[in-house]
Amino acid sequence: QKEVEQNSGPLSVPEGAIASLNCTYSDRVSQSFFWYRQYSGKSPELIMSIYSNGDKEDGRFTAQLNKASQYVSLLIRDSQPSDSATYLCAGGDTGRRALTFGSGTRLQVQP
Amino acid sequence: DGGITQSPKYLFRKEGQNVTLSCEQNLNHDAMYWYRQDPGQGLRLIYYSQIVNDFQKGDIAEGYSVSREKKESFPLTVTSAQKNPTAFYLCASTTRTGSRETQYFGPGTRLLVL
Repeated sequence: QKEVEQNSGPLSVPEGAIASLNCTYSDRVSQSFFWYRQYSGKSPELIMSIYSNGDKEDGRFTAQLNKASQYVSLLIRDSQPSDSATYLCAGGDTGRRALTFGSGTRLQVQP
Repeated sequence: DGGITQSPKYLFRKEGQNVTLSCEQNLNHDAMYWYRQDPGQGLRLIYYSQIVNDFQKGDIAEGYSVSREKKESFPLTVTSAQKNPTAFYLCASTTRTGSRETQYFGPGTRLLVL
């Protein structure tokens, strides 16, 4: 099992809909999780971090962490074409102070 | 103007040549990292450094070398031993608040083999 797994997509949603991105993780990954957005050809940009079980909201974004099931998700409400990007899930590595990344989910928001 | 800078934006390497990618940060962050990203894939850790004059191998360190002589600088050398160096290289640094760390990325260097 990979340490952080994501569905590669593409996930296609119409403009204005809710996009739901999911990520599962193994025991080697700690309880700190991050969602990065990466536009084509650009570097990752941090959009959300979550450390505790439950939900965390920031504008149109909501991150959800479920430690019992070992998954973390990102919801994007009122999706816009500008949200079209690859979303990377990352977790803290329990054995070293570094992040372990999933392979990313490509999101396409259709106008 | 604070941030993480990487240079050059594009780098071309000839067969058997060593090349060095620059990473500088003026954020006063202690920890710095190098990742490699191949098309359609996530980030893989090459090397990381928690403090000056100390660094550790990541998951794919073979064919790469680093130094950390100054807090703000963490250059990466891609040696001739790295047989498939074409990739997008990302430098990152981490800020820490209590027990929580947050990682930020530079703009990246795209390395191509001639």
